Amino acid sequence: DTAVSQTPKYLVTQMGNDKSIKCEQNLGHDTMYWYKQDSKKFLKIMFSYNNKELIINETVPNRFSPKSPDKAHLNLHINSLELGDSAVYFCASSHQTGERGYTFGSGTRLTVV
Amino acid sequence: RKEVEQDPGPFNVPEGATVAFNCTYSNSASQSFFWYRQDCRKEPKLLMSVYSSGNEDGRFTAQLNRASQYISLLIRDSKLSDSATYLCPMDSSYKLIFGSGTRLLVRP
Repeated sequence: DTAVSQTPKYLVTQMGNDKSIKCEQNLGHDTMYWYKQDSKKFLKIMFSYNNKELIINETVPNRFSPKSPDKAHLNLHINSLELGDSAVYFCASSHQTGERGYTFGSGTRLTVV
Repeated sequence: RKEVEQDPGPFNVPEGATVAFNCTYSNSASQSFFWYRQDCRKEPKLLMSVYSSGNEDGRFTAQLNRASQYISLLIRDSKLSDSATYLCPMDSSYKLIFGSGTRLLVRP
């Protein structure tokens, strides 16, 4: 059973389009995250949600809107896609304290053309 | 200064070698530290947590030096399958902060 699953795995779209990525975890964690890994392979936090509440928004453009309908799901909607949004987006989850580590999904490779 | 700094490598070692990586971090309030490995085009996977007393898991030994603000990972008897990028994030208030990662290449 996949612990953190995100869909789709690949997404190719044109500039200006709107797209969504979905994430679900079955680990019973109460905190979920979105990370972006750009072409330089640097992993950067975008959003953190704890018990469906937004905790961290790391100066992400407001074209990115996360939504957490419940503790097990965290989706990411992106409006008006730009070339610079091309990256791999990872969803992750952890217990609130994070001390046992974070579990990552397999990533969504977004290419904007 | 970056919050987590790592030597990007690559470290190119023969099978069977012992190799060590270090990370330095700037936030002394961080409570939890980890080593992750990331294979090409895959997600980061937890290798081990890092405890103040040091901890070992098979061929891997991790250590934390809070006074000097660095953590280390020692890999003994390197295998080809150890080739990957090694990440040493620290947990800081609802986020893991990553460095650039250290690339390890183990050659036959």
